[in-house]
Amino acid sequence: QQQVKQSPQSLIVQKGGISIINCAYENTAFDYFPWYQQFPGKGPALLIAIRPDVSEKKEGRFTISFNKSAKQFSLHIMDSQPGDSATYFCAALPSGSARQLTFGSGTQLTVLP
Amino acid sequence: KAGVTQTPRYLIKTRGQQVTLSCSPISGHRSVSWYQQTPGQGLQFLFEYFSETQRNKGNFPGRFSGRQFSNSRSEMNVSTLELGDSALYLCASSLEYHYNEQFFGPGTRLTVL
Repeated sequence: QQQVKQSPQSLIVQKGGISIINCAYENTAFDYFPWYQQFPGKGPALLIAIRPDVSEKKEGRFTISFNKSAKQFSLHIMDSQPGDSATYFCAALPSGSARQLTFGSGTQLTVLP
Repeated sequence: KAGVTQTPRYLIKTRGQQVTLSCSPISGHRSVSWYQQTPGQGLQFLFEYFSETQRNKGNFPGRFSGRQFSNSRSEMNVSTLELGDSALYLCASSLEYHYNEQFFGPGTRLTVL
């Protein structure tokens, strides 16, 4: 059972454009929603994260928008750069002591120069 | 501060063999989680160890096991390898607070022939 659904599977944007990746979750026990960036040959690295009591969080060119009632959240990358080309994963962590991240299926982002 | 290290980085085994992968967390991190990454199934949680105890386990067969030592270093073992076990195995460490970031290592690429 896929508990976190991510779209699109791949995304191509021009340099300077806005990249938008969407995720939806089912489990209402999730209370922490991180986004990870992964380059080939590397492990995922935390990009930005949000808790459900906040509707938006911005860090530099990266913004998470969170809609608790719709159980959806999205990543916006403003002024996309070729160096942003990577695979992006949304994830969710349930409340409690478990550190079990449930990941979305990933989005392969390509930013054209 | 050194990051999460995983050894070996690459491993080739044949069906039926067993394998042991090692993970050294960031100094001071007592939580270590293991994930399997494949093109078909994406990133899936295997198990988490905290203070030498398995705190949570994902939906994998009993052939997958792990342990954690008193210095927080962790190992995972896969017995009776199958072709489908070919994957990137990622280790992540974190502090014990629920919202602390999980830092991923570069992974061990296991190929089963």
